Amino acid sequence: DAKTTQPTSMDCAEGRAANLPCNHSTISGNEYVYWYRQIHSQGPQYIIHGLKNNETNEMASLIITEDRKSSTLILPHATLRDTAVYYCIVRVAHGAGSYQLTFGKGTKLSVIP
Amino acid sequence: EAGVAQSPRYKIIEKRQSVAFWCNPISGHATLYWYQQILGQGPKLLIQFQNNGVVDDSQLPKDRFSAERLKGVDSTLKIQPAKLEDSAVYLCASSLRTSGYNEQFFGPGTRLTVL
Repeated sequence: DAKTTQPTSMDCAEGRAANLPCNHSTISGNEYVYWYRQIHSQGPQYIIHGLKNNETNEMASLIITEDRKSSTLILPHATLRDTAVYYCIVRVAHGAGSYQLTFGKGTKLSVIP
Repeated sequence: EAGVAQSPRYKIIEKRQSVAFWCNPISGHATLYWYQQILGQGPKLLIQFQNNGVVDDSQLPKDRFSAERLKGVDSTLKIQPAKLEDSAVYLCASSLRTSGYNEQFFGPGTRLTVL
């Protein structure tokens, strides 16, 4: 799997957009970018995933650069409940290797009132 | 829809004792995972089941850890004997699809403290 690099921690003011970067410069053509988050004392929660096009759902937007070497998760209006560790994971989506997620240390996002 | 259930939520044992964790996945989910999460780190996969068969247990310390998923539904993870370094949160996750994109749904975890 391609290795990902994320900042250790970030702060964001409540109500503002939170932009979480992820570097995955060794990503291969069949690997997707997944984002999960883990709120304190809970299990991780799926947020969004994408291959090369930008994606949006009710939780967040995912912006992937044209060369696919980096991506940004955007929480458009951060709330205190968005305080969590955010994991960027690169993985193939099909075939025998598609089932497993390899978590790094992620980015600790603190939303400040 | 009920989520992934795990019990107990907390467990404190002394080293060399045995412990077991239980997981009930979301109904109909064929794939079940056990992860270990040490404080300050991301979850690490221990074992993956597809129905009642093991798909991958390459990171499971088999000298002390064992897991089973009888009848392809509930699963139990056991540690015998426990070591201090086994102190961690043990997370269970399940997923519906057997191929293709795979969203995993996680339970709340069991926090194990080994003294």
